[in-house]
Amino acid sequence: QVQLVQSGSELKKPGASVKVSCKASGYTFTTYSMNWVRQAPGQGLEWMGWINTNTGNPTYAPGFTGRFVFSLDTSVSTAYLQISNLKADDTAVYYCARPAVGSKGNAFDIWGQGTMVTVSS
Amino acid sequence: QSALTQPASVSGSPGQSITISCTGTSSDVGGYNSVSWYQQYPGKAPKLMIYEVSNRPSGVSDRFSGSKSGNTASLTISGLQAEDEADYYCSSYTSSSTRVFGGGTKVTVL
Repeated sequence: QVQLVQSGSELKKPGASVKVSCKASGYTFTTYSMNWVRQAPGQGLEWMGWINTNTGNPTYAPGFTGRFVFSLDTSVSTAYLQISNLKADDTAVYYCARPAVGSKGNAFDIWGQGTMVTVSS
Repeated sequence: QSALTQPASVSGSPGQSITISCTGTSSDVGGYNSVSWYQQYPGKAPKLMIYEVSNRPSGVSDRFSGSKSGNTASLTISGLQAEDEADYYCSSYTSSSTRVFGGGTKVTVL
């Protein structure tokens, strides 16, 4: 079945970096873009941006430029989110999400299970 | 890009219908038919309920319907059931080629 499986929870100190993985299965990885969504504890969803899985070209939402990097390893159908110079307010669950067919890339029907990143000294 | 505006909470009794609004601008909700709705239970990933304003993915109950008028989109849940108690988020494509979510609405079944 189509699924996205993300890496496990992370506990990091301020200033450190983290790399979250999102492994796709059940479909051709390069057929769909990959989006990233953040949800801070008790808060709503924030769209972070997306990466074109054909070209590797990333697009970042305002507020997610500089310290956030999307990347791919198409040989293993995996997308990555790397966050550098972590701050306490980066503490959140990070989701990868695949667009739904027929949604023009704007709605997401396949989601990873989420990766909790906790930043604390 | 500011988040779309949703009511913080909506409640209803079993069997009733409720409507959740999602207000944006002509640069997002009003400008495109790319509004989607998600249901999220605590500790779980969101689930797509509606896309392109009013389309239901396969497997989503027909008790869920979507519409749009001007800069405001709406999600209606008919025949409210206990299992519908969850958080609901709207999302829209924007003129900046980004996507934006609403702040979320907590639905309570009385």
